Amino acid sequence: AQSVTQPDIHITVSEGASLELRCNYSYGATPYLFWYVQSPGQGLQLLLKYFSGDTLVQGIKGFEAEFKRSQSSFNLRKPSVHWSDAAEYFCAVGAIEDSTLTFGKGTMLLVSP
Amino acid sequence: EAQVTQNPRYLITVTGKKLTVTCSQNMNHEYMSWYRQDPGLGLRQIYYSMNVEVTDKGDVPEGYKVSRKEKRNFPLILESPSPNQTSLYFCASSSNQGIPEAFFGQGTRLTVV
Repeated sequence: AQSVTQPDIHITVSEGASLELRCNYSYGATPYLFWYVQSPGQGLQLLLKYFSGDTLVQGIKGFEAEFKRSQSSFNLRKPSVHWSDAAEYFCAVGAIEDSTLTFGKGTMLLVSP
Repeated sequence: EAQVTQNPRYLITVTGKKLTVTCSQNMNHEYMSWYRQDPGLGLRQIYYSMNVEVTDKGDVPEGYKVSRKEKRNFPLILESPSPNQTSLYFCASSSNQGIPEAFFGQGTRLTVV
């Protein structure tokens, strides 16, 4: 079965600084990988996804993520964080054989002035 | 507009009183699932359905029931709610053709007293 680890429960970043959120996965084949964002009181919104091809994928709101097979990682990055990026971020891995998604426990991003 | 609709958004109930949370999607997706979200535990899958009349247990199915009589609807039933089922619940749907990108409802905040 697949699994996802997000090592950081909370991260605080100054507004305008760069951001990297870590995600490591375990899966027997090339996975589908996703990052979702959850703003307070909201549902989950897809930021970006990867399943093949270019290992650097671009998403909405200026986010990008890089798939590194050798490290089983799919880290999320943004060059300059805005206060509106404060939210909880979830990495997820999708199983090819049955479409199930497994989520990490999430990373709460706090943005300081 | 493509969407997943959950109702109600907020619900307070008493222990043992049966309740149903509805979920409907308008994207003709085959795959639907229910998650619960608890602080520090991320999203955990309760039940999922690969298609009409096909349902299966997720990671935390105890105390819940589901049905999938129509493709668009996937209600979550709590026959005898208990306080440990107080949580934030999300319904999601995705196509099982291609990338399993999940679309989420806005969530249902359930409190069992």
